[in-house]
Parts: sequence; C-alpha cells; structure tokens
Amino acid sequence: DAGVTQSPTHLIKTRGQQVTLRCSPKSGHDTVSWYQQALGQGPQFIFQYYEEEERQRGNFPDRFSGHQFPNYSSELNVNALLLGDSALYLCASSSINREYRGEQYFGPGTRLTVT
Amino acid sequence: DAKTTQPPSMDCAEGRAANLPCNHSTISGNEYVYWYRQIHSQGPQYIIHGLKNNETNEMASLIITEDRKSSTLILPHATLRDTAVYYCIVRGPNTDKLIFGTGTRLQVFP
Repeated sequence: DAGVTQSPTHLIKTRGQQVTLRCSPKSGHDTVSWYQQALGQGPQFIFQYYEEEERQRGNFPDRFSGHQFPNYSSELNVNALLLGDSALYLCASSSINREYRGEQYFGPGTRLTVT
Repeated sequence: DAKTTQPPSMDCAEGRAANLPCNHSTISGNEYVYWYRQIHSQGPQYIIHGLKNNETNEMASLIITEDRKSSTLILPHATLRDTAVYYCIVRGPNTDKLIFGTGTRLQVFP
C-alpha cells in the first residue's frame, strides 16, 4: 500500500514564475492538506481540500491556490514566485471520518528553490 | 487553538526512556493533544494523540495531567532511529489544521 507520494522531489524556479506541485494521497484517504516548511521552522498550514473544495485556509496569500481531483489527488499552485517561497512543501492526507481527524500522513515533500 | 511550549532540545541515551514534555496551559476542554515527529529530510510522522486519558500504542505513551495543562510523550526504549524533532500540537474538534511550533529536537546517543 503506497503512502502519500509527491512530485517532483526538487524544483528550481526563477522569481515571478509559476509552479505546480502534485500529491497523491494514501489509499483510503479523501482529504489532502498542504503545508509549507521553511528551513529550521515547523510546517505551516496552507489549506485543505475535501470533495474537490477548499475547506480551510491558513494565512497565505491568494498566490497560493490548489485543486483536488475526483481521485482525491491534489495540486498546489503558486504564482508570481518570491524568494521567500523557497521551502519544503508537504502534502498530508487523512480521512474525513471524525474518529481519525488529526491523524495526517505526510509525504516526503517537494523542495522548491526560487532564485 | 491553544499554544504549546516545548524545550528546544533534549538528549537521551540509547535504550533509556525518553520523556518529552509539553505545556498547553490554555487548552480547552474539547481540544486534543497530538504528537508528531520529523526525522531529518522526511515528512512529519503521526505518533499518538489523546483527549483526557493516558494513551499507549506501539510507538509511545502519552501522559496528560489531570488539569490537561501539560503532557509528556514517553518513548520507552529510545533507539538511534528515534533522533528527530518532536512536535506537540493542540487541535480543536472542528478543524483539521495542525499548527506546528518549533518542537523539541531529541538526540539519542549510543
């Protein structure tokens, strides 16, 4: 049973460009959350998707957007990249089942470098 | 969501119990305590969670004080593979958002 997978593993972009990161959730999970982790910091919540809609959003600008597909996979898009967007982007999947909320399974992350 | 406070770093000898403390003095009655860890270069890993009662699973034990203002994660027999940053998180019942602090960096030494 594959866990959470993310692609690509590493990415280098230039300021002002746009980037798309991808995530496939763990089998049986229907909810995907995205986090940004700057060097030396804990992960920061960006947003969460369930039933192809954004359910919750953290304190991130509109340059950060996402999408969830019918197969529960998800994309994170970042427009007009800034140097400060350089970070590890983590995808986490979970089940909307109330008993398991909070138990999130994280992927290995995508390391984004903006130059 | 209640704020958590953890020591920045701790050491533990291999084979000994590692006891990681967490303060969450502003926790509400319906908020859960979660523990995650992040081994270098990997995504965070769920360890355990609890509401009021102490909990144990194959990885660890969670001890929550009676007033719920603090908790302790116990790794009963630490190994070198337990070297990681450990995060204590308080989550409300109506949110899936996890708010990570800076955690405790646990170093297990031989």
